[in-house]
Amino acid sequence: DVQLVESGGGLVEPGGSLRLSCAASGFIFRSHTMSWVRQAPGKGLEWVSSITSSSSSTYHADSVRGRFTIFRDNAKKSLYLHMNSLRAEDTAVYYCARDLLPWFDPWGQGTLVIVSS
Amino acid sequence: QSVLTQPPSASGTPGQRVTISCSGSSSNIGNNTVNWYQQLPGTAPKLLFYSNNQRPSGVPDRFSGSKSGTSASLAISGLQSEDEADYYCATWDDSLNGVVFGGGTKLTVL
Repeated sequence: DVQLVESGGGLVEPGGSLRLSCAASGFIFRSHTMSWVRQAPGKGLEWVSSITSSSSSTYHADSVRGRFTIFRDNAKKSLYLHMNSLRAEDTAVYYCARDLLPWFDPWGQGTLVIVSS
Repeated sequence: QSVLTQPPSASGTPGQRVTISCSGSSSNIGNNTVNWYQQLPGTAPKLLFYSNNQRPSGVPDRFSGSKSGTSASLAISGLQSEDEADYYCATWDDSLNGVVFGGGTKLTVL
């Protein structure tokens, strides 16, 4: 089965940093673009970042550009999101998803990030 | 405020047909295919349709998707209680150079 499992979420103070991880299994990870999508509590979905299969290109939403970095380790079949200068509005469940250009399938179960003092 | 516009809520009784709309512009829906996601309460989103009207395996044919111009719609016929969920449309936006989502529609089965 294709599976994505996120980890690394938690409580962090405004201005702090956090790194999310996503472990992939059940498919050829190195062949696929991967993405992060987030969902603030009680709100809709927001695309955050994407990275191509070989890491040659990365894309970020305007809301996180310059603060978040997406990267991957194909040998470890893992996707990461390094988040700096975190703000209250970054509070959300962060989902990792396989990007089939341009749809996402499947999605992980999500990891919750809370930015609060 | 979302780039794609969806009604915040929709409802129907079991067996009824319900339609959810998704409105965009020439830079997104007008020039790209539309995908739909279903999010059951407390769970992660799941792909419901891709490329406007392609149904992944396992999605019942009670569900159908369509696109015309800068709008798309999701139709559910023979509504069932397990269809109660949030539904999101999404597509690529050529101007923003990223994926954009609708605000989501909460479907209630009365």
